[in-house]
Amino acid sequence: DIQMTQSPSPLSASVGDRVSITCRTNQSISTYLNWYQQKPGKAPKPLIFSASSLQSGAPSRFSGSGSGTDFTLTISSLQPEDFATYYCQQSFGTPFTFGQGTKLDIK
Amino acid sequence: VHLSDSGGDLRQPGGSLRLSCAASGFTFTTFAMSWVRQAPGKGLEWVSSVTGSGRFTYYADSVKGRFSISRDNSKNTVYLQMDSLRADDTAIYFCAKGSGITGDFDYWGQGTLVTVSS
Repeated sequence: DIQMTQSPSPLSASVGDRVSITCRTNQSISTYLNWYQQKPGKAPKPLIFSASSLQSGAPSRFSGSGSGTDFTLTISSLQPEDFATYYCQQSFGTPFTFGQGTKLDIK
Repeated sequence: VHLSDSGGDLRQPGGSLRLSCAASGFTFTTFAMSWVRQAPGKGLEWVSSVTGSGRFTYYADSVKGRFSISRDNSKNTVYLQMDSLRADDTAIYFCAKGSGITGDFDYWGQGTLVTVSS
């Protein structure tokens, strides 16, 4: 199985900050890497597919980069509604695996 | 696109349950569908996927042999039959639509809670 490791976890930041979350895999997955945002009591919401493609409707302050085994989700300027938990997930092959999640909270 | 999952309930260990996910707003037969679960206070875990035709199915090792995914394309509905339930199956179960790549989940249901307890 492909193992996913996210860092940091958790992450404290302030409104207006630029933050990055890293996801590392234990084998190369090309760019089959997705990012989701989840708020308490809600279903996950897709942000980024294929490492860097912004999902329709996701704000442009979110961006993704990376390939192979190292990936990054960046939020250019944190807004109050961005405080949530973020998950990376690989779609390279089954079992589709998720990172453990990064909880982003207010400093 | 709208996904409405249902069927969650309380069951004793060893019991069975069938979840349903009714889909609308897209050509159902074109896309794979999946189930993803989240235990209380924990992260996301992929459970199972089925291709658009229903011909191919995939399972996490933790549910293989106990859970069965299927779809009725005439009803735009995907199912998860859960047998031999265990306490560690307790979770919110989300259905999710594949975007074209089976494992890219672009739309999610609201989730349905399954509790396994005696």
